[in-house]
Amino acid sequence: DIVMTQSPDSLAVSLGERATINCKSSQSVFDNPNRRDYLAWYQQKPGQTPKLLIFWATTRASGVPDRFSGSGARTDFTLTISSLQAEDVAVYYCQQYNSVPYTFGQGTKLEIK
Amino acid sequence: QITLKESGPTLVKPTQTLTLTCASSGFSLSTTGVGVGWIRQPPGKAPQWLALIYWNDDKRYSPSLKSRLTITKDISKNQVVLTMTDMDPEDTATYHCARRHIDSNGWYVDAFDVWGQGTVITVSS
Repeated sequence: DIVMTQSPDSLAVSLGERATINCKSSQSVFDNPNRRDYLAWYQQKPGQTPKLLIFWATTRASGVPDRFSGSGARTDFTLTISSLQAEDVAVYYCQQYNSVPYTFGQGTKLEIK
Repeated sequence: QITLKESGPTLVKPTQTLTLTCASSGFSLSTTGVGVGWIRQPPGKAPQWLALIYWNDDKRYSPSLKSRLTITKDISKNQVVLTMTDMDPEDTATYHCARRHIDSNGWYVDAFDVWGQGTVITVSS
């Protein structure tokens, strides 16, 4: 299984400041034939289901604000929120879909400082 | 509007078999590229992917649970069914069905863009 490890486990950031969440996979999630990293990011607010934010490591899903961006390649990935808003308080998960079983990171809890 | 809704028992005894149904609307399970998966989330923990069934009836299972899982679909009813045998208290979780994402360029992505609200399953005697 590919193990996904996120850091930090929790993060407190001031409103309007940048938030950065890291995700490391135990092996590469890059698919050579398709030349893409099979990595997604989700946002889960309290009492809600996960919401897909980013796929292919860097592509925003429809309707996701452009303050959310994904970067990285192979085994090291980052989700950045450029200017934190109050509604961004949530737990964030990365997920690899390169190989079965598809696996999630343990989550990063983002709060307002 | 695309929706998914899970149904099933709320309480299951150890060793029993769990059967969950996912009712979908707003899309067809037979459309090329469509896939519906099951993902569970224990209280306060990360999601865990269980299984995925594709439009062509291809199926993928989590290897650690494969011997206990069966995923099927009924196109006429727009339903996906998951059975899990030999339930254990460690299987207590919220169980979600979710649709596989298809991006604007037509690429199929085994990340999940539409989720059902989930059904809470407690395994206890």
